[in-house]
Amino acid sequence: ELKVEQNPLFLSMQEGKNYTIYCNYSTTSDRLYWYRQDPGKSLESLFVLLSNGAVKQEGRLMASLDTKARLSTLHITAAVHDLSATYFCAVVRGSRLTFGEGTQLTVNP
Amino acid sequence: DGGITQSPKYLFRKEGQNVTLSCEQNLNHDAMYWYRQDPGQGLRLIYYSQIVNDFQKGDIAEGYSVSREKKESFPLTVTSAQKNPTAFYLCASSIAGAGADTQYFGPGTRLTVL
Repeated sequence: ELKVEQNPLFLSMQEGKNYTIYCNYSTTSDRLYWYRQDPGKSLESLFVLLSNGAVKQEGRLMASLDTKARLSTLHITAAVHDLSATYFCAVVRGSRLTFGEGTQLTVNP
Repeated sequence: DGGITQSPKYLFRKEGQNVTLSCEQNLNHDAMYWYRQDPGQGLRLIYYSQIVNDFQKGDIAEGYSVSREKKESFPLTVTSAQKNPTAFYLCASSIAGAGADTQYFGPGTRLTVL
């Protein structure tokens, strides 16, 4: 059974600081997604990482994938309040996705 | 505009009632999915369909049923057999199976049992 674990689950940080969210998964997969969810809203696709060593960047967010370590990271650079949301990683298993529990990020002024 | 619509946005159910949640997409996607999200948790897969007239159980299918008679539509029925149905329900679609393509999500339906 594929298990996907994110840490931390809760993250409170100050504007302007950097931080990294980690996503570990238990079985082999070569495709991983990151999504963002605002409170009470749906999920928005951020990144898809397709192969070992893949790195994608959009604004202050950068995601990477290490399939050998079964680890993906979402790095936040110089955080701003607008990044406050819950971030999910999701790992492909056959034709399905398995989601992590999510990391609730709060960026304080 | 292309997208995924879900209705209703809020739904209240009495004990013992069946209710149906609607999901429609005009993206011409082959695959559609239903997820359940409980407060503070990730998404769990209920059912998915990769082609019309075919669907498979996900991880938590008990107490739910679906149909896929049209490519655009994938309704979910929450039956009285589902003992704890209060949750946020999200529908998603992708061009093909999740292994190949990004899933795009609808706005969700919040179901509350009275």
